[in-house]
Amino acid sequence: EIVLTQSPGTLSLSPGERATLSCRASQSFSSSFLAWYQQKPGQAPRLLIYGASSRATGIPDRFSGSGSGTDFTLTISRLEPEDCAVYYCQHYGSSPMFTFGQGTKLEIK
Amino acid sequence: ELQLVESGGGLVQPGGSLRLSCAASGFIFSNYGMNWVRQAPEKGLEWVSYISDSSSTIYYADSVKGRFTISRDDARNSLYLQMASLRDEDTAVYYCARGHAYNYDRDFDYWGQGTLVTVSS
Repeated sequence: EIVLTQSPGTLSLSPGERATLSCRASQSFSSSFLAWYQQKPGQAPRLLIYGASSRATGIPDRFSGSGSGTDFTLTISRLEPEDCAVYYCQHYGSSPMFTFGQGTKLEIK
Repeated sequence: ELQLVESGGGLVQPGGSLRLSCAASGFIFSNYGMNWVRQAPEKGLEWVSYISDSSSTIYYADSVKGRFTISRDDARNSLYLQMASLRDEDTAVYYCARGHAYNYDRDFDYWGQGTLVTVSS
């Protein structure tokens, strides 16, 4: 089973700054199998990035994904107050079919 | 407008059973794989189960295998999760999530708002 470890646990930044969120896997896998989600308080998660770097429908270009192998990154440029949320990475595999990282909480000062 | 609306959550005693439903609208339900994903209070996301568009492929997380059963009724545009032998650790918000067909169901492109299941005596 692949384990995803996200860092940092909490990130506190100001509007207009750039956020860099990390997702590290216990084993290497294809970038096609990595997705990122945003979950705001009291809401369901929303798909941001799939295939490590492709933006989902309606996602602004401030959000970008990169990485390969065991190291993946979600970057949010020009932070806005509404970006305050918990961000999860997710792996598609065989057993179990899907695993999630533990999440990174992004706070906007 | 695409919608996924879960129902059926509530308070149940340990060892009890519950059936969750997810009503889909705004898309051709029969063309999509579907999932249940849960989130324990103040915790992260945990995938529970997947059913393919034809119901030919079904997977479960080890934590629920043998206790939960996923099914779908394409005529009713509905997804179900039959839960039995419930445990305290099954307490969570249960989300219905659509498989991202463009990406071969490797992620979840739309989610419902969730229904809360509380297992407690």
